[in-house]
Amino acid sequence: NAGVTQTPKFRVLKTGQSMTLLCAQDMNHEYMYWYRQDPGMGLRLIHYSVGEGTTAKGEVPDGYNVSRLKKQNFLLGLESAAPSQTSVYFCASRPSSVGTTYGYTFGSGTRLTVV
Amino acid sequence: EDKVVQSPLSLVVHEGDTVTLNCSYEVTNFRSLLWYKQEKKAPTFLFMLTSSGIEKKSGRLSSILDKKELFSILNITATQTGDSAVYLCAVEASGTSYGKLTFGQGTILTVHP
Repeated sequence: NAGVTQTPKFRVLKTGQSMTLLCAQDMNHEYMYWYRQDPGMGLRLIHYSVGEGTTAKGEVPDGYNVSRLKKQNFLLGLESAAPSQTSVYFCASRPSSVGTTYGYTFGSGTRLTVV
Repeated sequence: EDKVVQSPLSLVVHEGDTVTLNCSYEVTNFRSLLWYKQEKKAPTFLFMLTSSGIEKKSGRLSSILDKKELFSILNITATQTGDSAVYLCAVEASGTSYGKLTFGQGTILTVHP
């Protein structure tokens, strides 16, 4: 199993450009998440999804949109990139029911620089 | 709003030293506290703590949770240069949190030979 795959791994954007980050999981997990990590900070939740066709805002949603048209894919879009969105982006997934087990799987991250 | 605070923010030690990393939290309807190790890539899972007073142990690493005082510690004994990393603490709430994690800012551990 590949687990959680993020594409691309690196990207440089100019201010105002748009792009989409793709997160794909092959574990049939219901829950999926997008986090961002800035220097000296932990991960902060941008958006999340509890199932196909549903999305919700996290802690820092401004400037981002998401879609989950298929259960295995969770897309993060930047419509008009800003330097403040320079960050490392992590996708994660988890089954809806984990009991007392851990359950999370993280992708390897996308390093985005906006100049 | 859920909150996680880690201390110290950074720590420099020599090989063989023992270190203690702290994590305090505020969360509505606590479900679990998680510790991760991060080395310039995705966080690597270390421990999941759900019950107070029960130590989790893996080799030289151990962790314990105090649900009354709302904190956890991560101990690393006989540190090695390979332990150099950022250590993240996160909490998960139960109920309608849908598995969302709230992370602390992390502790940067540097182990010198």
